[in-house]
Amino acid sequence: DVKVTQSSRYLVKRTGEKVFLECVQDMDHENMFWYRQDPGLGLRLIYFSYDVKMKEKGDIPEGYSVSREKKERFSLILESASTNQTSMYLCASSPPGLNSPLHFGNGTRLTVT
Amino acid sequence: AQSVTQLGSHVSVSEGALVLLRCNYSSSVPPYLFWYVQYPNQGLQLLLKYTSAATLVKGINGFEAEFKKSETSFHLTKPSAHMSDAAEYFCAVSESGVVRNAGNMLTFGGGTRLMVKP
Repeated sequence: DVKVTQSSRYLVKRTGEKVFLECVQDMDHENMFWYRQDPGLGLRLIYFSYDVKMKEKGDIPEGYSVSREKKERFSLILESASTNQTSMYLCASSPPGLNSPLHFGNGTRLTVT
Repeated sequence: AQSVTQLGSHVSVSEGALVLLRCNYSSSVPPYLFWYVQYPNQGLQLLLKYTSAATLVKGINGFEAEFKKSETSFHLTKPSAHMSDAAEYFCAVSESGVVRNAGNMLTFGGGTRLMVKP
């Protein structure tokens, strides 16, 4: 079974802090994704990466950056956390191909106070 | 641009009753369509996917979905609800023919929370 592991289940940070969310997958997948989940809005794509050091913006990249130095690890960075970034963050991975399903981690619930 | 609409943010059924969760999409090209389920405190799991091989798609846990091109719909059904089906369900679309650096860019609907009454 594919395993996608997010390092923290819950995080509480203060406004202005730099925040790192880490994600590791164990299936050698080329693609990795960061989504944000908010009630009524479903999942919205922040960034995705299709190879090491390669990244593309999703629908809501403002206020976020990412890093992929190794194939198995994809980090989401909030340079200066704000209260409107309080949300559930989901990491996913997949092999290439438009019909390849995504495999999700259990999520990190981030609260910015 | 593609979009996904899930009618009804909350659906409540009795145990043993039919489950019907609605999904409509807009896409300029034939899409790939997915249903995912999220149980409390977990990530999303794939229920089923449509990839043009057959319009009626069977998934896990007794769920199935029918692709209707004329209605741009991909509704999820299950003949008899079980308490363990209580979860949030997401419909998602990926446009065929749109290859963006080999990434499968999914657009998700807003989700439908299914509640099952005993």
